[in-house]
Amino acid sequence: GDSVTQMEGPVTLSEEAFLTINCTYTATGYPSLFWYVQYPGEGLQLLLKATKADDKGSNKGFEATYRKETTSFHLEKGSVQVSDSAVYFCALSDWNTGRRALTFGSGTRLQVQP
Amino acid sequence: DSGVTQTPKHLITATGQRVTLRCSPRSGDLSVYWYQQSLDQGLQFLIQYYNGEERAKGNILERFSAQQFPDLHSELNLSSLELGDSALYFCASSVGQSVQETQYFGPGTRLLVL
Repeated sequence: GDSVTQMEGPVTLSEEAFLTINCTYTATGYPSLFWYVQYPGEGLQLLLKATKADDKGSNKGFEATYRKETTSFHLEKGSVQVSDSAVYFCALSDWNTGRRALTFGSGTRLQVQP
Repeated sequence: DSGVTQTPKHLITATGQRVTLRCSPRSGDLSVYWYQQSLDQGLQFLIQYYNGEERAKGNILERFSAQQFPDLHSELNLSSLELGDSALYFCASSVGQSVQETQYFGPGTRLLVL
């Protein structure tokens, strides 16, 4: 079945550091890929998405590129802020199987220190 | 604010009891998804409804059931509760037309079973 693997956290960075959170996936079809963010005590918010190979999703300085050849969708940000501290989830929905529900990775906690 | 509302925000109950969680989707969204977030299982898909009909089932226990009403709000019923059912339960909604579309999440209901 489909699965998503994320790097283990927590990731601790200083403000203005470069961020990469790795995400790889396994899917039987041609999935759409998503990054969601969960701030403390809140629900999940869509951060960005990409629906086909080589698409780049971007939002609030975060970027991720859909790499079909490496089955990856790594999240990057050039300069993190304390306010970016949250848990980040990589997820997919699979076009070919018609599975519209999201399959999530385990989440990566990011802590940004001033 | 995603436009998805969930009530109650917190729920504390005892083992063996039954509870009902309620979700109102965004205006115009026909699809409702239920997810469970727990420390040991992560984020898991439970069940999906589309325009009143059950569309897909995930890892939903037989003790759990759901429905979507004509006004499109949905309820998740959890019965014979066990300690392990303590979790955060999210509802998400989407238009329901494409597997590439975004799901918007509510703030969640935190269930504690004592």
